[in-house]
Amino acid sequence: DTGVSQDPRHKITKRGQNVTFRCDPISEHNRLYWYRQTLGQGPEFLTYFQNEAQLEKSRLLSDRFSAERPKGSFSTLEIQRTEQGDSAMYLCASSLGGRGDTQYFGPGTRLTVL
Amino acid sequence: AQKVTQAQTEISVVEKEDVTLDCVYETRDTTYYLFWYKQPPSGELVFLIRRNSFDEQNEISGRYSWNFQKSTSSFNFTITASQVVDSAVYFCALSEGGANNDMRFGAGTRLTVKP
Repeated sequence: DTGVSQDPRHKITKRGQNVTFRCDPISEHNRLYWYRQTLGQGPEFLTYFQNEAQLEKSRLLSDRFSAERPKGSFSTLEIQRTEQGDSAMYLCASSLGGRGDTQYFGPGTRLTVL
Repeated sequence: AQKVTQAQTEISVVEKEDVTLDCVYETRDTTYYLFWYKQPPSGELVFLIRRNSFDEQNEISGRYSWNFQKSTSSFNFTITASQVVDSAVYFCALSEGGANNDMRFGAGTRLTVKP
């Protein structure tokens, strides 16, 4: 399978706990994006990487959120001290890196904070 | 600022009917990119089409067709002879192709095709 993969697919946690999600992009893609999608809404941009450099962060990304892409390959998104409002689907996408190029999405990680 | 509006929240049709999903966008850029994605119940966003602002030619792919009109800032999607497998949420998205290339999505249209 050469698509974008995400792990885990589902995560249930208690409020206040930390969680970490992983995304493996399509191998030749330089750009990697994180989005959040809540029920009944379209995905909302969180942050993106060009290789290992994090180049943009949305205002949605509070200081409890941190993302890394240490070797320009896979990426992790960590949420510290989770809140019930963090419950959402977290989507990862990757693209080759050209202007306006197509982003290919992974299956997402559904987070439920109790 | 970029904005995408999908005014139709839900559409229900009977199999074999044609259906059009509307998308209206706002942008100040002259160069931009429009996309349609399909999100079936499994949750994964599936890419359908990409169109840049300089290419207003309509496109047909099998039962799918797209009508791009810059004059009305619309990028509508038509499914001909709908099938039950077309049931999904469809998202229109806009990228201004800037340094970050992030996409702004509409709220989506849930299409239900009944047998």
